[in-house]
Amino acid sequence: AQKVTQAQTEISVVEKEDVTLDCVYETRDTTYYLFWYKQPPSGELVFLIRRNSFDEQNEISGRYSWNFQKSTSSFNFTITASQVVDSAVYFCALSEDAGTASKLTFGTGTRLQVTL
Amino acid sequence: NAGVTQTPKFRILKIGQSMTLQCTQDMNHNYMYWYRQDPGMGLKLIYYSVGAGITDKGEVPNGYNVSRSTTEDFPLRLELAAPSQTSVYFCASSYSPPAAAGFYEQYFGPGTRLTVT
Repeated sequence: AQKVTQAQTEISVVEKEDVTLDCVYETRDTTYYLFWYKQPPSGELVFLIRRNSFDEQNEISGRYSWNFQKSTSSFNFTITASQVVDSAVYFCALSEDAGTASKLTFGTGTRLQVTL
Repeated sequence: NAGVTQTPKFRILKIGQSMTLQCTQDMNHNYMYWYRQDPGMGLKLIYYSVGAGITDKGEVPNGYNVSRSTTEDFPLRLELAAPSQTSVYFCASSYSPPAAAGFYEQYFGPGTRLTVT
């Protein structure tokens, strides 16, 4: 069975600090996909990034970067120079490739609080 | 383009009552999903659909039913509501060719907060 672990329940940082959100996953599939979603206080889930199991390149998008390491089954997310607007719950999710629908397994989320 | 819309936003039910949560998407997505989110937890899949007329159970289907008669709509029915069904319910949709179903991101609706007392 698939599993996603986000061990950090809550993180508080001061604006402009860098912060890394950890994600560790378990799967027996050789083909799988990893996602990060953001859930701001308004409640909706916003897609941030997708990675497939064959692409270990790190990715940077503005202040956001992602580090995917198959050797440690981790897909960590770093926010550089955090801002108050980054305050949200962040979910890591794993999707199996079973040729059917994309059934996401979510972690329990990390609540990030950025203060002035 | 409204994306994924859900109604109602909030609802309070008494134990034993029934209700239908509505979900509509206007992106012509073939896949649709229902999740529930309990406090401090991630989302858990209730039911999903790969197209009109085809539905299947997710991780936590007990106490729920779904139908998919059109591409756009995917209602979730709660029969005999129980306090354990107090949660926030999210509908989502995605598009992909079947061979790469896991690859494409899901788009989520704003959620329905349901309380059963």
